[in-house]
Amino acid sequence: DIQMTQSPSTLSASIGDRVTITCRASQSISGSLAWYQQKPGKAPKLLIYKASNLESGVPSRFSGSGSGTEFYFTISSLQPDDFATYYCQHYNSYPWTFGQGTKVEIK
Amino acid sequence: EVQLVESGGGLVQPGGSLRLSCAASGFTFSSYWMSWVRQAPGKGLEWVANIKYDGSEKYYVDSLKGRFTISRDNAKNSLYLQMNSLRAADTAVYYCARERYGSWVYWGQGTLVTVSS
Repeated sequence: DIQMTQSPSTLSASIGDRVTITCRASQSISGSLAWYQQKPGKAPKLLIYKASNLESGVPSRFSGSGSGTEFYFTISSLQPDDFATYYCQHYNSYPWTFGQGTKVEIK
Repeated sequence: EVQLVESGGGLVQPGGSLRLSCAASGFTFSSYWMSWVRQAPGKGLEWVANIKYDGSEKYYVDSLKGRFTISRDNAKNSLYLQMNSLRAADTAVYYCARERYGSWVYWGQGTLVTVSS
């Protein structure tokens, strides 16, 4: 199975900060990576697919990059609504797996 | 509007069985792969299984093979997850989700399964 490792596990930041989360795959997954945002008690929300494609309706302050084994998720200017937990997920081969999540907290 | 509504969760004893359902509406159900994804309390997300639009292909996370079975009834626009030999570690919110090339845009609200004596 391909393991996905996210860092950091928790991130404290202020409104307006630029925030970057890293996701590393245990083997190459090409560009088969998605990023989700999840708020407490809610289903995840797809933000990025195919590593760098912004899902329709998602604000442009969110972006993704990377390929192979190293991927990045960036929020260019953190907004109050962005405090949540973020997950990467690969879909290169079965079984699909998620990173352990990164909780973005208010500093 | 796409809607996915899970049902069937609840409290079950260890070793017991439960069948989850997901009622789909607002789209042509028979055209989409569908998945189950679960989340244990306070933990991360885990993909459980998926099924091709016609039911001809099914894939599972290795740890659940043999205990869980995914199925669908396109005539009823419904997805199912039969869960047998349940363990405390299966306690989670179970989401159904509509796939798009390996990711999920549409999710249900989730149904909580609690395995406890």
